[in-house]
Amino acid sequence: GAVVSQHPSWVICKSGTSVKIECRSLDFQATTMFWYRQFPKQSLMLMATSNEGSKATYEQGVEKDKFLINHASLTLSTLTVTSAHPEDSSFYICSAPEGAHTEAFFGQGTRLTVV
Amino acid sequence: AQSVSQHNHHVILSEAASLELGCNYSYGGTVNLFWYVQYPGQHLQLLLKYFSGDPLVKGIKGFEAEFIKSKFSFNLRKPSVQWSDTAEYFCAVILNQGGKLIFGQGTELSVKP
Repeated sequence: GAVVSQHPSWVICKSGTSVKIECRSLDFQATTMFWYRQFPKQSLMLMATSNEGSKATYEQGVEKDKFLINHASLTLSTLTVTSAHPEDSSFYICSAPEGAHTEAFFGQGTRLTVV
Repeated sequence: AQSVSQHNHHVILSEAASLELGCNYSYGGTVNLFWYVQYPGQHLQLLLKYFSGDPLVKGIKGFEAEFIKSKFSFNLRKPSVQWSDTAEYFCAVILNQGGKLIFGQGTELSVKP
C-alpha cells in the first residue's frame, strides 16, 4: 500500500512555543490530506482537511488560528500548533487518500507534549 | 449528522474465545467501511475494508467482517482470539468517496492468556 510519513514521531515543547508537524505522501500525490487528533483512550477526531493550493477546511470547534495548516505541494502538508499549551498535548495523526479517495493511508502519528 | 457507533467500549476475553465487535453507522448513501487496529504504542493499521461485492470480507490475522446494509452494520469477527490481538479497534467509514474518515469511538480488546 501507499506510504505516508509523519515527522517528528514525538516532540516536547515549552508552553507558548510553536510546533510544526510534517506529513508526506512518499509514493503518491495527495491533493488532499486529513489531520486527526487522538486523546488517550479516545477515538480519532478529524481536525481539518488540508487542500493543496488552497485554504484548509476546519471542523467545527477547531481553532484555525491555533492549528495552522499549509499544503504547499502534492506530497507535503504541515500542521503548526501555535502558542502551544498543555491542553494541546495529544497524538496528532495525518492521513492521505489515494486514487479515487476510497482508502486512507495513515502516518505513524506525532505525540506532542507541552510542558 | 453522519456518525459511527461501536457498541462495546472494553471487551475482555480469554484466549481461544470468539470475538464479535459491533459497528453501526448512520448514513443513507454510499459508504466504504473499514476496521483499523491500533496496538499499544503503534500507529493505526488497516485490518480489512469493504467497498462493494461480497458483504463478507476477510482481512489480515484471521479477522473478518460482514456488511449488512439493512442494518447499517459492519461487525468485526474472529473465531479464536490470541493474546497478541490485545489492541484498540476502530470502525470507520468514508462517505461518498471523499476520503474523510469518520471513526467510531473505538473498542479496547484485552485478551487474557
